[in-house]
Amino acid sequence: AQSVAQPEDQVNVAEGNPLTVKCTYSVSGNPYLFWYVQYPNRGLQFLLKYITGDNLVKGSYGFEAEFNKSQTSFHLKKPSALVSDSALYFCAVREPHNNDMRFGAGTRLTVKP
Amino acid sequence: EAGVAQSPRYKIIEKRQSVAFWCNPISGHATLYWYQQILGQGPKLLIQFQNNGVVDDSQLPKDRFSAERLKGVDSTLKIQPAKLEDSAVYLCASSPLRPETQYFGPGTRLTVL
Repeated sequence: AQSVAQPEDQVNVAEGNPLTVKCTYSVSGNPYLFWYVQYPNRGLQFLLKYITGDNLVKGSYGFEAEFNKSQTSFHLKKPSALVSDSALYFCAVREPHNNDMRFGAGTRLTVKP
Repeated sequence: EAGVAQSPRYKIIEKRQSVAFWCNPISGHATLYWYQQILGQGPKLLIQFQNNGVVDDSQLPKDRFSAERLKGVDSTLKIQPAKLEDSAVYLCASSPLRPETQYFGPGTRLTVL
């Protein structure tokens, strides 16, 4: 069965610095990969997805992620962090013919002024 | 476009009581999901509907949890009787017929005392 690992519980960056939130996955076949963000007392908001095509995916709010098949990774990145980016970030994976989407445990991003 | 609606937003009950949650998906979305998100963890799929039929309920604790989507639109999730370990946020999500991106509601935070 597919699975996702987010190796960092917490990521701290200074405002204006680049940020990376890491995600690795395990799946048989080609993965569908997703990033979601969760603000306090809110549901998950879709940021971006990789289905096929270009390995670099651009999403909402200036975020992007790079699909690396050899390293089975899908790290989330942003060139310049904002304080308002502070939230909980979830990576998720599912197989193309399997409706079961598996989420990582989440990474809490804190951007300090 | 209106998002996924859920109610209530918060619910506090005592163990062994019953509780029900309601979800109205995005208009036109054939697929509806219920997830359980325990504090500090990623969401875990409980049940998936396509129109009014169940696609996957393998992780639903059927001795106490039930869900229905009678007219293929809105859905209810019920817990009867509740246990302390059911304290969590219950998230509803929906997606179009070819499910790639799931869109989440704000969730219902359940506290079982």
